[in-house]
Amino acid sequence: DTGVSQDPRHKITKRGQNVTFRCDPISEHNRLYWYRQTLGQGPEFLTYFQNEAQLEKSRLLSDRFSAERPKGSFSTLEIQRTEQGDSAMYLCASSSREGVSTEAFFGQGTRLTVV
Amino acid sequence: AQSVTQPDIHITVSEGASLELRCNYSYGATPYLFWYVQSPGQGLQLLLKYFSGDTLVQGIKGFEAEFKRSQSSFNLRKPSVHWSDAAEYFCAVGAGLTGGGNKLTFGTGTQLKVEL
Repeated sequence: DTGVSQDPRHKITKRGQNVTFRCDPISEHNRLYWYRQTLGQGPEFLTYFQNEAQLEKSRLLSDRFSAERPKGSFSTLEIQRTEQGDSAMYLCASSSREGVSTEAFFGQGTRLTVV
Repeated sequence: AQSVTQPDIHITVSEGASLELRCNYSYGATPYLFWYVQSPGQGLQLLLKYFSGDTLVQGIKGFEAEFKRSQSSFNLRKPSVHWSDAAEYFCAVGAGLTGGGNKLTFGTGTQLKVEL
């Protein structure tokens, strides 16, 4: 296993278009997280899955954002009607089920640019 | 709600010099604390973590951090910096989520530059 994989690595889209990102976590990890990182800032939590259940969503996740993890493996994050303010790095992370004191492993991120 | 403050936005050190990056946190209970490093255009790599026990924790690449509850601090140190350590460093505090996950709140990061 090579770690958390995100696709695509870069995405340029026109304002108003829809985009979808994919995250493949480490295979034995049942917890999956999405974060957003804007320039000069630390990552901000967006949402969290345990298996296929989405258990928490940040207020940052507006109605235009939706995340799924249909079979408890990979996850997708969709942004509808993109805005320039959505330009950011979107990071996915996963962790194992062994209690709360486990580290999250991050993917390399998808950099979104809305023009 | 938890928060993390990294007061130094940029730090420049000479190769071979010692390093200390500051981190202060705010959290109501016993915190889970982390330091991550990020190279340009890359994801985050965990350097070290503190959950409980010994307040001085050792990490990868020769880094260590000390948890001081009285000062709400978790400063990162390295005795001798290498040019390859140039990157952005993030301190984070974790809070438990429903189902046992860990929600991380990050500081704004410290950009480290190493002069040869």
